[in-house]
Amino acid sequence: DTAVSQTPKYLVTQMGNDKSIKCEQNLGHDTMYWYKQDSKKFLKIMFSYNNKELIINETVPNRFSPKSPDKAHLNLHINSLELGDSAVYFCASSHIRNEQFFGPGTRLTVL
Amino acid sequence: GQNIDQPTEMTATEGAIVQINCTYQTSGFNGLFWYQQHAGEAPTFLSYNVLDGLEEKGRFSSFLSRSKGYSYLLLKELQMKDSASYLCAVRDRVPYNTDKLIFGTGTRLQVFP
Repeated sequence: DTAVSQTPKYLVTQMGNDKSIKCEQNLGHDTMYWYKQDSKKFLKIMFSYNNKELIINETVPNRFSPKSPDKAHLNLHINSLELGDSAVYFCASSHIRNEQFFGPGTRLTVL
Repeated sequence: GQNIDQPTEMTATEGAIVQINCTYQTSGFNGLFWYQQHAGEAPTFLSYNVLDGLEEKGRFSSFLSRSKGYSYLLLKELQMKDSASYLCAVRDRVPYNTDKLIFGTGTRLQVFP
């Protein structure tokens, strides 16, 4: 199946822990994104990479660090997790300036 | 500043027509997208407008007026499966190699039999 995939789908962890979310796309897109969707369903861009180069870096705490080993992968590492980090994190990909395709989301719960 | 407004909730009856409005004020404009998001699932692309006018795609149509900062999504012949959130997103005008979408808070549509 051609798609954007994310792992894990659910992540429950304690405050202060470090965790990573992985994203892969096999659509041949050159741009990948991370979004955060909070409890009020507001979807906000965090980061964007184009051909492995960081091109969008919104006002996100530096505890969040994206990493793109190649065009098909964009991972998100989060250090020292806080309660307010609880949300659904969506990865997406696109050809630049075209519609974005979203992954299934990772529901992060910080206890 | 960036501001995108949509109604929070709407209800409609199966078989009816519903129009979901979106008004925006952004520092730049380079296109407007509509996405559908079912509960617990990922957003999926519905439509894209960059020029004024109506874009039709089956039961769904989207309209844009750039001078008014206004768009709507029209859903015809509503079906129960159309119950979902509908997200309006504006693409900001940024340097060539970026593609930043600013999303509204979404409109939750409930379709009743």
